[in-house]
Amino acid sequence: AQSVSQHNHHVILSEAASLELGCNYSYGGTVNLFWYVQYPGQHLQLLLKYFSGDPLVKGIKGFEAEFIKSKFSFNLRKPSVQWSDTAEYFCAAFRGGSYIPTFGRGTSLIVHP
Amino acid sequence: GAGVSQTPSNKVTEKGKYVELRCDPISGHTALYWYRQSLGQGPEFLIYFQGTGAADDSGLPNDRFFAVRPEGSVSTLKIQRTERGDSAVYLCASSFGDRDQETQYFGPGTRLLVL
Repeated sequence: AQSVSQHNHHVILSEAASLELGCNYSYGGTVNLFWYVQYPGQHLQLLLKYFSGDPLVKGIKGFEAEFIKSKFSFNLRKPSVQWSDTAEYFCAAFRGGSYIPTFGRGTSLIVHP
Repeated sequence: GAGVSQTPSNKVTEKGKYVELRCDPISGHTALYWYRQSLGQGPEFLIYFQGTGAADDSGLPNDRFFAVRPEGSVSTLKIQRTERGDSAVYLCASSFGDRDQETQYFGPGTRLLVL
């Protein structure tokens, strides 16, 4: 069975610090990858996604993620975080041809002003 | 409405009771998903509808869980003989359903507490 691992469960940063959240998936075939974010009191919403092409994907609010096939990774990055980035971040993966995503357990990010 | 809505937002019930959770997807979305999210975990897939039919119900944990979508729009997740372990946030998401792996739009969830 496919699994998605997010190794950082809780991250605490100061504003302007750089961010990298890890995501690894276990499936070896074609895979498509997503990052979702859930701000306090809000719904899960899409941050960015990778289907094919350029492995460096740009998302909303200055976030980006890099797909490294050899490492089975899709890490999320932001060069300078803001207090408003405080949220839960979820990585999700789809096997090729599947309608069903597998989510990681999430990373809680707290940014101190 | 503009987004996916779910009712009730919170539900407290007693062990052994029956509950129904409702999801109203975005208008025009043919695909609808139910997930369960326990504390400290990511969403866990339960069931996926394409139109009125359940295209994949492999995530339903046992036969106490059932979901319907009779007219291809609103869906109801039904849980019989609730157990304390059923306590979780139940999320609904919808998408256009035109192709696989497209963006899903999530509702706010129903927080179920079984006492």
